[in-house]
Amino acid sequence: GNSVTQMEGPVTLSEEAFLTINCTYTATGYPSLFWYVQYPGEGLQLLLKATKADDKGSNKGFEATYRKETTSFHLEKGSVQVSDSAVYFCALSDAGNNRKLIWGLGTSLAVNP
Amino acid sequence: DTAVSQTPKYLVTQMGNDKSIKCEQNLGHDTMYWYKQDSKKFLKIMFSYNNKELIINETVPNRFSPKSPDKAHLNLHINSLELGDSAVYFCASSQGASGYNEQFFGPGTRLTVL
Repeated sequence: GNSVTQMEGPVTLSEEAFLTINCTYTATGYPSLFWYVQYPGEGLQLLLKATKADDKGSNKGFEATYRKETTSFHLEKGSVQVSDSAVYFCALSDAGNNRKLIWGLGTSLAVNP
Repeated sequence: DTAVSQTPKYLVTQMGNDKSIKCEQNLGHDTMYWYKQDSKKFLKIMFSYNNKELIINETVPNRFSPKSPDKAHLNLHINSLELGDSAVYFCASSQGASGYNEQFFGPGTRLTVL
């Protein structure tokens, strides 16, 4: 079945460090891929998405490229801020049942000043 | 203006009680969801309604019963609460039932069963 695997957290970085959160997937067909972010005490919100191979999603300095050859959608940011501290979820649309998202387990990021 | 709102924000109750959580969205979306997030942040879809029709019904105990009186509202009633029901419950909405569509989440309801 379809699945999403994210790197385990927590990830702890200093301000201005480079961030990578790995996400790989298993899917049939051509799913869309998403990164959602959950700030402390809040609901999730869409950070970025990509709908086809080689697409790059970007928002708020974050980027992720849909790599079909490596089945990956790694999240990157060149210089993190304290305000980026949150839980990040990778997800894919389930091509077999396109009415729901398949979610990763989430990766907690803490950025220290 | 709040896009997806939930009430209550916190709910503390005893085992065996029955409780309800309400959700409303003012985005004009036609699809709404209930998710459960456990203490390790694992997110699990429970139910989804599209135009008041149940379209996703995951393996959830039948003590959980969703109700959608109209497209803007989705409520969750839980009977005979158990310790394992303690979690944060999120409501979400989207325009269209496809997983391709962005989902907008409410702030969550933290349920604690004692």
